[in-house]
Amino acid sequence: AQTVTQSQPEMSVQEAETVTLSCTYDTSENNYYLFWYKQPPSRQMILVIRQEAYKQQNATENRFSVNFQKAAKSFSLKISDSQLGDTAMYFCAFMKYGGGADGLTFGKGTHLIIQP
Amino acid sequence: NAGVTQTPKFQVLKTGQSMTLQCAQDMNHEYMSWYRQDPGMGLRLIHYSVGAGITDQGEVPNGYNVSRSTTEDFPLRLLSAAPSQTSVYFCASSEGQDYNEQFFGPGTRLTVL
Repeated sequence: AQTVTQSQPEMSVQEAETVTLSCTYDTSENNYYLFWYKQPPSRQMILVIRQEAYKQQNATENRFSVNFQKAAKSFSLKISDSQLGDTAMYFCAFMKYGGGADGLTFGKGTHLIIQP
Repeated sequence: NAGVTQTPKFQVLKTGQSMTLQCAQDMNHEYMSWYRQDPGMGLRLIHYSVGAGITDQGEVPNGYNVSRSTTEDFPLRLLSAAPSQTSVYFCASSEGQDYNEQFFGPGTRLTVL
């Protein structure tokens, strides 16, 4: 079974600053995918970014980028030029190739607060 | 496209009551799943389906039943609700089991007294 650990229960930064959310995982799988999901107060789960483990290049989506370190089993999310709308819970998630009964394995989340 | 819809948004039950949480998607996705989210926790997989007529258990299936008679619908049944089933329930769908993006419904907040 896989485990995902997010060691920062809550983080707070000023608007326009850059913030990095940490995520580590444990797995014996070699082929897998990693995701960051955002959950604003509306409760809706929104995919922020995803990474295939076989790709060495870090994924980027506009202001969001990841630092994927496969050997260290680390998958951090960097948010640049943070905005008030980025305030939300952020969940790191793992899925092994083929998904199946394990589905997505989530961390406990980091509550990110962007201060005006 | 409406995406993934869930009804109801909120529900309060008494211990021992039964109910069905509805989930529907209009994207012709083969894969559908149910998760529960408890306070301070990430989502955990309850049941999933890889297509009409095929369902299987996830990490926390006890106390829940599912069926998949059509591609569009994937209801979750609580036969005898218990306070431990108080949670927020999310339905998700995707084109396939793995890399494809999982689209989540808005969730159902269930309280069992």
